[in-house]
Amino acid sequence: EDQVTQSPEALRLQEGESSSLNCSYTVSGLRGLFWYRQDPGKGPEFLFTLYSAGEEKEKERLKATLTKKESFLHITAPKPEDSATYLCAVQNLKYNFNKFYFGSGTKLNVKP
Amino acid sequence: NAGVTQTPKFRVLKTGQSMTLLCAQDMNHEYMYWYRQDPGMGLRLIHYSVGEGTTAKGEVPDGYNVSRLKKQNFLLGLESAAPSQTSVYFCASSYPDPPYEQYFGPGTRLTVT
Repeated sequence: EDQVTQSPEALRLQEGESSSLNCSYTVSGLRGLFWYRQDPGKGPEFLFTLYSAGEEKEKERLKATLTKKESFLHITAPKPEDSATYLCAVQNLKYNFNKFYFGSGTKLNVKP
Repeated sequence: NAGVTQTPKFRVLKTGQSMTLLCAQDMNHEYMYWYRQDPGMGLRLIHYSVGEGTTAKGEVPDGYNVSRLKKQNFLLGLESAAPSQTSVYFCASSYPDPPYEQYFGPGTRLTVT
């Protein structure tokens, strides 16, 4: 069965302290792996799509990487404004637009 | 360009009452979705639509109905609300091409007492 597990559930960092969030997935055939950022009281905001193992994408202090079993969201020298919940989702090649598997997220808190 | 908007932002219902949540998008997206988000769980798909006049069931459709009379609007209805439907509801839209990157609205927080 397709599933997504994110760890840790919560992460506290000091400003400037780099770290990584993990998204482990099980899917018979990966169409795409998505990262979203969700601020409190708001909807998820799209960050990245990764398609195949070895692929990397960057945006400001965020860098997403993908292997055959997991994806990492690396945060370099985070700032307080990076505090949010980060969601991971996968889509199976067998299905189309109606099947996204979302993880429950990692809540990141960056203290000044 | 407002993206995806949802109304209302908050609502409290009593068990058995009905209501409609409205979603509107101005990106000319073909596909639209309704999700619910509960603590400790990932987003779960309730219903979706591939175009004007079409709707289909997602992962958790029971107790909900939807309509898409216009391309830009997607309505979610609760005919007889139950406490188990207390949740945050998100609407999303996407283009019809893979990988179907979704753009979300700000959400509606619904409490059923």
